[in-house]
Amino acid sequence: KAGVTQTPRYLIKTRGQQVTLSCSPISGHRSVSWYQQTPGQGLQFLFEYFSETQRNKGNFPGRFSGRQFSNSRSEMNVSTLELGDSALYLCASSTGPTQGTYEQYFGPGTRLTVT
Amino acid sequence: GESVGLHLPTLSVQEGDNSIINCAYSNSASDYFIWYKQESGKGPQFIIDIRSNMDKRQGQRVTVLLNKTVKHLSLQIAATQPGDSAVYFCAEKAAGNKLTFGGGTRVLVKP
Repeated sequence: KAGVTQTPRYLIKTRGQQVTLSCSPISGHRSVSWYQQTPGQGLQFLFEYFSETQRNKGNFPGRFSGRQFSNSRSEMNVSTLELGDSALYLCASSTGPTQGTYEQYFGPGTRLTVT
Repeated sequence: GESVGLHLPTLSVQEGDNSIINCAYSNSASDYFIWYKQESGKGPQFIIDIRSNMDKRQGQRVTVLLNKTVKHLSLQIAATQPGDSAVYFCAEKAAGNKLTFGGGTRVLVKP
């Protein structure tokens, strides 16, 4: 079974621009969560989607948004990029709470650099 | 607020020895805990999990211990190998599917 895939793997953007990152979960997984990883803040939860609905949201500004499609693929968008948004953005998929398990499988991440 | 922390940021261990990585959590409502391993350039990889109704769980060369009284979690790696060199994170789950991660511990295996 293929793992979680994220595209692109690397991205360089300029302050003020916007960016869209994509995540394809493991086949059969319906829950997708997004995390931001930086050396200073560690791994921080952004949001979680299940069946195209946002179920949980972390403490990030409204510039960070996401969505999930009917095939469970998910995208996250960051508008008006700031230097501090430079980070590794990780996507994790799981079967979802209805299966009684919470094990999350991570993708390799998208390395975003804002200049 | 809710947080998960680690006592030791870096752990050096001799190849073949056992490793113990510790983690403190603060949310008594957390009901599920996971240990992840992250190698350079990769996303976190699931190692082992434990539910709050258990105090010990064993996997292949790894054991997780949970002490709810003092809100402490530990990961024991038996016969540490060079391939075990990585950053290890503990994570806790309370409500929903949101995981709160600790700051991570780097394990360096010396040959």
